[in-house]
Amino acid sequence: AQTVTQSQPEMSVQEAETVTLSCTYDTSENNYYLFWYKQPPSRQMILVIRQEAYKQQNATENRFSVNFQKAAKSFSLKISDSQLGDTAMYFCAFLYPNTGNQFYFGTGTSLTVIP
Amino acid sequence: NAGVTQTPKFRILKIGQSMTLQCTQDMNHNYMYWYRQDPGMGLKLIYYSVGAGITDKGEVPNGYNVSRSTTEDFPLRLELAAPSQTSVYFCASSSGLYATNEKLFFGSGTQLSVL
Repeated sequence: AQTVTQSQPEMSVQEAETVTLSCTYDTSENNYYLFWYKQPPSRQMILVIRQEAYKQQNATENRFSVNFQKAAKSFSLKISDSQLGDTAMYFCAFLYPNTGNQFYFGTGTSLTVIP
Repeated sequence: NAGVTQTPKFRILKIGQSMTLQCTQDMNHNYMYWYRQDPGMGLKLIYYSVGAGITDKGEVPNGYNVSRSTTEDFPLRLELAAPSQTSVYFCASSSGLYATNEKLFFGSGTQLSVL
């Protein structure tokens, strides 16, 4: 079974500071894709960043970067220079192409950026 | 540039009533999904479809039905609504083309309450 664990239900960070959200997973697959999605109070699901498991280089998107440790099955999200608009629920997700292109989600981390 | 359109946004049902959540996408995506989001539980897959005429169960299919008569449409049917089906429902789609930046595109969600 594919499982995704986000062990931090809630986190907070001061504006302009850096915060890291954790995600671990369990899989026997070798080919998969990793995602962080953001869900602000508007409820809309927004893709933050994407990582292919076969790539060793960590993905970055402006202030967002990941630390992908394949052997440890860890996929953390670092948010630099936190902004008030970063306040949201963050979901870690995995795509396994060999299982009908199914995406599996963690339980989410609620992040609050404090002014 | 509609993407994934999901209706209604809000709905209140009485126990035992039935309803259909509508979902349509204009990106010619092969894959479509229905998720439910419960507080602290992340997103759980209800049903998914890999193409017109093909559907399959996800993690939590009981109490729901789907159909996929066209590439664009993927309605979710709730029969005999129960309080346990109170949740936020998301429709999503993906192209299935891994080499071209595969990701999930989400609708705006439906808040359903069963009283």
